[in-house]
Amino acid sequence: DGGITQSPKYLFRKEGQNVTLSCEQNLNHDAMYWYRQDPGQGLRLIYYSQIVNDFQKGDIAEGYSVSREKKESFPLTVTSAQKNPTAFYLCASTDRIATNEKLFFGSGTQLSVL
Amino acid sequence: AQSVSQHNHHVILSEAASLELGCNYSYGGTVNLFWYVQYPGQHLQLLLKYFSGDPLVKGIKGFEAEFIKSKFSFNLRKPSVQWSDTAEYFCAVTDLYNTDKLIFGTGTRLQVFP
Repeated sequence: DGGITQSPKYLFRKEGQNVTLSCEQNLNHDAMYWYRQDPGQGLRLIYYSQIVNDFQKGDIAEGYSVSREKKESFPLTVTSAQKNPTAFYLCASTDRIATNEKLFFGSGTQLSVL
Repeated sequence: AQSVSQHNHHVILSEAASLELGCNYSYGGTVNLFWYVQYPGQHLQLLLKYFSGDPLVKGIKGFEAEFIKSKFSFNLRKPSVQWSDTAEYFCAVTDLYNTDKLIFGTGTRLQVFP
């Protein structure tokens, strides 16, 4: 089955700890995205990548980092600099939004702070 | 920067009632418009999209949306809702200067009672 796999489903972070959320897609999509979903705030863009070895900051990139070494993988690291990391994180991919292609979403990772 | 407003945060309807969810965006020009839906426990999925042409677009499950350029709006409608329409609905618009960047609204939670 083609799709996007996010892992883990639930993740707990201790104070001062960096954690990495995994996102893998087998849809052969060029573009991948990370969104953060908070109640009442919708989805906010953290980082996105339109091609391998390239990525851009979204609207709330502070305290996060990403890499795009392979087309199918776009891991997100939540660093200790992110002071309010508790949220639901969604990864998505598409061919090109600019050509009206839809986003395919993963099932999400719920991150909580211990 | 482009922004999206969804003024209805929580809508409660009885089955067979008509639905209209508002969506307004801040900047005009050429934009691509989307409605996504998140059913309880499921992935976000595309409901419908507008790129060009007929401003009245039809999506899955009897939903439709009308693009009114002069009002910067893309409201979602359904003539008769069902209990299974209970979900969270997100409007999204492409960024004005980077059409590979998708900006989401804060979402509207719809509850339909039998």
